[in-house]
Amino acid sequence: DIQMTQSPSSLSASVGDRVTITCRASQDISNYLAWFQQRPGKAPKSLIYAASSLQSGVPSKFSGSGSGTDFTLTISSLQPEDFATYYCQQYNSFPYTFGQGTKLDIK
Amino acid sequence: EVQLLESGGGLVQPGGSLRLSCAASGFTFSGYAMTWVRQTPGKGLEWVSTLSGSGSSTYYADSVKGRFTISRVTSKNTLYLQMNSLRSEDTAVYYCAKNRGYDGKRDAFDIWGQGTMVTVSS
Repeated sequence: DIQMTQSPSSLSASVGDRVTITCRASQDISNYLAWFQQRPGKAPKSLIYAASSLQSGVPSKFSGSGSGTDFTLTISSLQPEDFATYYCQQYNSFPYTFGQGTKLDIK
Repeated sequence: EVQLLESGGGLVQPGGSLRLSCAASGFTFSGYAMTWVRQTPGKGLEWVSTLSGSGSSTYYADSVKGRFTISRVTSKNTLYLQMNSLRSEDTAVYYCAKNRGYDGKRDAFDIWGQGTMVTVSS
């Protein structure tokens, strides 16, 4: 199975900040990488697919980059609703696997 | 509006069975692969199974292979997950998700349901 490792596991930031979350795959997954946001008690929400393509309705403050094994999610101009847990997921091959999550909280 | 609504969760004893349903609306159900994902506090998010839009191709995590069966009824716009021989480690919130494509392979998800809780305990 492909292991997905996110860093950091947790991150504190202030409203208005720009943050970057990293995701590393244990083998080459090309650009078959997705990012999700999950608020407490809610279902995951799809943000990005194909490493850098925004899902419909997702604001451009979210951006993704990377290819191969190293990927990043950047969130600019943080707002209160952005404080949540973020997950990456590879869909290059079954079994699809997720990172352990990065909890973003308010400093 | 695209929506997915899961149901069927509950408390079941080890070794028991449960069938989850996911009612879809707002899109052409037969045109997309569908997926089940589960989430536990300890293991995080875990992909469970994917079914192609045609219903002819299925993919399972090793942890559920031989015990769970994914299926769909197009006339009802509903996805199912039949779970047999349940174990305590199957306790989780189960989400259905719509894939972006038809065959499910190398295919991202775009829409998630709200989830249904399954508890396996005596």
